[in-house]
Amino acid sequence: KNEVEQSPQNLTAQEGEFITINCSYSVGISALHWLQQHPGGGIVSLFMLSSGKKKHGRLIATINIQEKHSSLHITASHPRDSAVYICAVRYFGNEKLTFGTGTRLTIIP
Amino acid sequence: DGGITQSPKYLFRKEGQNVTLSCEQNLNHDAMYWYRQDPGQGLRLIYYSQIVNDFQKGDIAEGYSVSREKKESFPLTVTSAQKNPTAFYLCASSPTSGGYSNQPQHFGDGTRLSIL
Repeated sequence: KNEVEQSPQNLTAQEGEFITINCSYSVGISALHWLQQHPGGGIVSLFMLSSGKKKHGRLIATINIQEKHSSLHITASHPRDSAVYICAVRYFGNEKLTFGTGTRLTIIP
Repeated sequence: DGGITQSPKYLFRKEGQNVTLSCEQNLNHDAMYWYRQDPGQGLRLIYYSQIVNDFQKGDIAEGYSVSREKKESFPLTVTSAQKNPTAFYLCASSPTSGGYSNQPQHFGDGTRLSIL
């Protein structure tokens, strides 16, 4: 069964800390997405990547195809970064996205 | 501003009733999707549509129905056949180009459905 595993499930950190959220998947993929879900429930797409690294502001996403692993980093974390971060992949031969269960991040002022 | 509008934000249903969740987008996207989110689980695909007047079942289509009569609209009906409808429902859209899932999806703010 193709699955997406995220770790940690929950993460609490102090404002200013460097944050890392991990995502692992089981077989070859054509794309990996990082999404952010705010407390109200709305979801925003942060990154879509198939190789290498992408950066947007304080957010950095990396992917290692050989190790089937991706990380989302947040530098200089801020309370407004508090949200659930979701990893989703498209496996080769499957049109649909498979979603992880999310990492709940809480940044304390 | 372009985006996806889901309504209502909260919806209550009596057992045995059908209820329709609205999803409208003004992004000119061809593809639209409905997902269900339950606590502790990843999003699961209910139905998707890549073009007007055409749609396909996702992983958990039983007890749901959809229509795609207009590019902008993709309403989801939760029928009385859906035995456990209480959940958070998210609508999304994306442009299509060489495989829909390789385009970023834009999400609405969701509708939370509860059974009275």
